[in-house]
Amino acid sequence: QSALTQPASVSGSPGQSITISCTGTSSDVGNYKLVSWFQQHPGKVPKLMIYEGSQRPSGVSNRFSGSKSGNTASLTISGLQAEDEADYYCCSYAGGLYVFGTGTKVTVL
Amino acid sequence: EVQLVQSGAEVKKPGESLKISCKGSGYSFTNYWIAWVRQMPGKGLEWMGIMYPGDSDTRYSPSFQGQVTISADKSLNTAYLQWSSLKASDTAMYYCVRLSSGTPDYWGQGTLVTVSS
Repeated sequence: QSALTQPASVSGSPGQSITISCTGTSSDVGNYKLVSWFQQHPGKVPKLMIYEGSQRPSGVSNRFSGSKSGNTASLTISGLQAEDEADYYCCSYAGGLYVFGTGTKVTVL
Repeated sequence: EVQLVQSGAEVKKPGESLKISCKGSGYSFTNYWIAWVRQMPGKGLEWMGIMYPGDSDTRYSPSFQGQVTISADKSLNTAYLQWSSLKASDTAMYYCVRLSSGTPDYWGQGTLVTVSS
């Protein structure tokens, strides 16, 4: 059960949009709708940003959106803000267990 | 309000045993899967395993099978993660997480485990 593949880093200027990819296989991302995305600031607990691929929990900004195509899920942050600078992890159900992505550091230039 | 409150930081020596806890409140503890997640210093999140307190069904990720034991005490609404013989490489932050309809929604505050001689 290998970790899902994410880019190590993504950067953007304030106001821009960025997209983080999360590539798995037909045994995880490609076969289940249970893909979540988490934001983690340094020293903090991960926070759920997207669940079931594209659903936003109450209280999460609508600047965050999720999608999936085949074995790849994506998280898009629009109108990038300084507070969005953090690590982001995807997570997928993999039939009985779960697997996280390798993590992406988002830098706001 | 749903809360997962974990036990405090631990400093142990290699070879020692350890059991950390995660107490759930604000929801029906036996009806939701609980997961344990490891985060080594400066590294990413790793899924260790999950347990359903209602019937003690437990599943481990291959990397953690045989290395840790996940358990729960329904009467105390508490889940546990334990080691029989710690190694320096077990040094990490450990989080418990509730699963709701398959989504990891609520996280504990984390327990930092330091293993050093």
